[in-house]
Amino acid sequence: QSVLTQPPSVSGAPGQRVTISCTGSSSNIGATFDVHWYRQLPGAAPKLLIYGNSNRPSGVPDRFSGSKSGTSASLAITGLQAEDEADYYCQSYDSSLSGSYVFGTGTKVIVL
Amino acid sequence: QVQLQESGPGLVEPSGTLSLTCAVSGDSISNNNWWTWVRQPPGKGLEWIGEMHHSGPTNYNPSLKSRVTVSVDKTKNQFSLQLRSVTAADAAVYFCARGVTLTNYNNRFDLWGQGTPVTVSS
Repeated sequence: QSVLTQPPSVSGAPGQRVTISCTGSSSNIGATFDVHWYRQLPGAAPKLLIYGNSNRPSGVPDRFSGSKSGTSASLAITGLQAEDEADYYCQSYDSSLSGSYVFGTGTKVIVL
Repeated sequence: QVQLQESGPGLVEPSGTLSLTCAVSGDSISNNNWWTWVRQPPGKGLEWIGEMHHSGPTNYNPSLKSRVTVSVDKTKNQFSLQLRSVTAADAAVYFCARGVTLTNYNNRFDLWGQGTPVTVSS
C-alpha cells in the first residue's frame, strides 16, 4: 500500500478542467521532497508529465500544471481532451524506515 | 534519441531468480544518472524497486532489499535486475527507467523502457 494517496478516478467533459490530488505526510511531500507526475496510457510505459512540483518537460502542453502545498500536491488538466484519458501517478521520496522512492495509488481520468 | 529496452525471460519458476537487463542507447550509462527498476503488478499501481549509479552506490526498496540486486555493466552500456526467491506476488510488468537528479532524493524518471511482463509459475 502506497504512502501517497490519490483518488481512484476523476472525470470531466471535453474542454473542462480536472484536478488530481496526491496526499502524503511529513515524511515525504511535507518533508519538502519534490513531487513528480506521470501519465500512463493503457498498455504503455509511464511518461513524465510534471517534475519538481510544477515544471513541464519539453513537449508537454501547458494544459498540464502542478502545485504543492504542505503535505499534498495537485495536478490540473485544463481543456480536457479525449487523449487525456489515462492513469496518472504522483511520485516522491519517503524518508521513513530506510527511505524509498514512492508512487501514488494512481488516478484514472475519464473523459465523458 | 535515448532509448531503454528491457530483455529477459518472461517466465520464472517459484523460488527461482528473476533476471532482467536494460540496454541503454543514445546515452552513456556513465553519465550522472540513476539507473532504475520499477514494476507494476497486473491491474495495480507502480512500485519502485531500486537504482544504481555508475559510480557504485545502490538504493533499494526496503520491502525488497533482501532479495534485490541492481548492477551496471559499463562495457555493454546496460544495467540489470536480479530478484531472488520469487513468488506469485512478484509477477508484474517490469520497467527500466533513467533517474535524473538535481538534488538528493529528488530523482524523477524521465525516460522509460516499454516494459517486459514476467510471470511466476512452474
